[in-house]
Amino acid sequence: GAGVSQSPRYKVAKRGQDVALRCDPISGHVSLFWYQQALGQGPEFLTYFQNEAQLDKSGLPSDRFFAERPEGSVSTLKIQRTQQEDSAVYLCASRLYGTGFPGELFFGEGSRLTVL
Amino acid sequence: GENVEQHPSTLSVQEGDSAVIKCTYSDSASNYFPWYKQELGKRPQLIIDIRSNVGEKKDQRIAVTLNKTAKHFSLHITETQPEDSAVYFCAASPPNDYKLSFGAGTTVTVRA
Repeated sequence: GAGVSQSPRYKVAKRGQDVALRCDPISGHVSLFWYQQALGQGPEFLTYFQNEAQLDKSGLPSDRFFAERPEGSVSTLKIQRTQQEDSAVYLCASRLYGTGFPGELFFGEGSRLTVL
Repeated sequence: GENVEQHPSTLSVQEGDSAVIKCTYSDSASNYFPWYKQELGKRPQLIIDIRSNVGEKKDQRIAVTLNKTAKHFSLHITETQPEDSAVYFCAASPPNDYKLSFGAGTTVTVRA
């Protein structure tokens, strides 16, 4: 596809359930980011991949959050034992170049997670 | 890390008037300042960006100004139209960094 694709678009989970959110970045993009966007707030950085390497996971809120990009393309954000405070929109974004080359982030439409 | 503050949080303007959104940043080394527009339920999209080696950049009805000394930058939208109604986010990034730090957003409503 031409843009960043995320699935599912909407996910409702019961507290304590595990969830997995998928991101298909633009083909050939080196950088991939996950951001968390709470209602009425700006995106907050979670983690960054350059190809398959996770270079920064400093924004992950707890060890219940885990992200991977094993082949340097598709990425999955996994949240274990979901809590109500995990409810947010999770945005994936990709960028053509790696570190040191700031440029446009192409965002997906996000996965809205609601934890009951 | 970088901290970006944005104001106002909401802005209502009459169609045809101008809108101005202001942001401040904390890291004096930051050198890349993009603006993203997010329509309701849609993905954020880049509308304009500026690097620290210039003070102003224009693209049709939108312009961004940067004051490195004061560490603030602003988005100006002239001749606003209903389709300009959206949430606008400013962001900043230090050199050789990969992540953007975003402001909290400004909800712009253009009244017909």
